[in-house]
Amino acid sequence: QKEVEQNSGPLSVPEGAIASLNCTYSDRGSQSFFWYRQYSGKSPELIMSIYSNGDKEDGRFTAQLNKASQYVSLLIRDSQPSDSATYLCAVNIGAGRRALTFGSGTRLQVQP
Amino acid sequence: GAVVSQHPSRVICKSGTSVKIECRSLDFQATTMFWYRQFPKQSLMLMATSNEGSKATYEQGVEKDKFLINHASLTLSTLTVTSAHPEDSSFYICSARVLGSGNTIYFGEGSWLTVV
Repeated sequence: QKEVEQNSGPLSVPEGAIASLNCTYSDRGSQSFFWYRQYSGKSPELIMSIYSNGDKEDGRFTAQLNKASQYVSLLIRDSQPSDSATYLCAVNIGAGRRALTFGSGTRLQVQP
Repeated sequence: GAVVSQHPSRVICKSGTSVKIECRSLDFQATTMFWYRQFPKQSLMLMATSNEGSKATYEQGVEKDKFLINHASLTLSTLTVTSAHPEDSSFYICSARVLGSGNTIYFGEGSWLTVV
């Protein structure tokens, strides 16, 4: 089992729709969770971080965390073609570990 | 967010030579920096954790003598790929952890290395 798992996609949604990206992780003791966006050939850029169970909203983005289910998701409302990218879920795996473990990413395609 | 600058953005080198990649934190001090490698269509794989003033911690399977990491100051870490081979061609990305940010990590722009 991979430590951080994501569906590779592509996930295709029409412009204006809600895109839902999911991620599961293996370490029940994980405390920090992040979503990064990576355009082709570019470095990842941070979208959101979440540390507590529940929802966290920032503009069109909402991160959701359920530690009991070891599940974290990212919702993108009013999806735009510019949101088309690979979305990486990242988790601090392992007690005291400061580096992030990344999922393989989900490729999102927003159709105009 | 915090700014991490990486240089060069692209480099081509001959097989057998060495290449140095620099990673700088521009507006904060980074006691810890991380080096990742990403092959096409794959996820980021952690290579090593760079600690200011001490030896880097390498991930299993990463050759410390081939990938030399130096973190001599709170704003600069370098990765030197020694005796490069074509299979070392990849996207190398540094990142830094911002203290007090809840483990938030910011990435540099990345460096594309092509070994010919």
